[in-house]
Amino acid sequence: DGGITQSPKYLFRKEGQNVTLSCEQNLNHDAMYWYRQDPGQGLRLIYYSQIVNDFQKGDIAEGYSVSREKKESFPLTVTSAQKNPTAFYLCASSIRHGGDTQYFGPGTRLTVL
Amino acid sequence: SQKIEQNSEALNIQEGKTATLTCNYTNYSPAYLQWYRQDPGRGPVFLLLIRENEKEKRKERLKVTFDTTLKQSLFHITASQPADSATYLCALDSRNTPLVFGKGTRLSVIA
Repeated sequence: DGGITQSPKYLFRKEGQNVTLSCEQNLNHDAMYWYRQDPGQGLRLIYYSQIVNDFQKGDIAEGYSVSREKKESFPLTVTSAQKNPTAFYLCASSIRHGGDTQYFGPGTRLTVL
Repeated sequence: SQKIEQNSEALNIQEGKTATLTCNYTNYSPAYLQWYRQDPGRGPVFLLLIRENEKEKRKERLKVTFDTTLKQSLFHITASQPADSATYLCALDSRNTPLVFGKGTRLSVIA
């Protein structure tokens, strides 16, 4: 059963702690993306990766870090430097970067207390 | 600067009518335009993609138009049903740059 998964669905952390959000896909897609969505807002791109061992900053990369050591996995770390980390985080993948539809995971809702 | 606007935050229509959602953009030359549906608390789901050289695309009750002169796309849902209630996002794609999403229009179909 192919798809893209994110875990956990809900995550609570104390202020000042780093937290890592998981994203896994078994679609054999080259490109993967992380977005942040706030209430009433569209999707804002945090980081994206076109291929293994490569990634680029999106529009709001400050306070976040990623890695792409495996094709299937693109974890996102929300660091203590992110000023307002409480949000809904969405991971997506596409066959290649540019001109392809994106397949989204179910999202992780992060709340920092 | 690049800007994408979806006509309204919310749109209410009666069941059976045609819903029309608008996506306008400025300072952008997209090669493709995509439409997604998002239900509350879930990830967006792809609906349709239209290329710059295509005027119209259809899929079942959905129709998308793309006018690069007006810099506008229209998304139509005919014979709308309460199950069509969701937020619809348009996204612009310039081939080698990441997708840029609009804020979405929340559609409510009232029985």
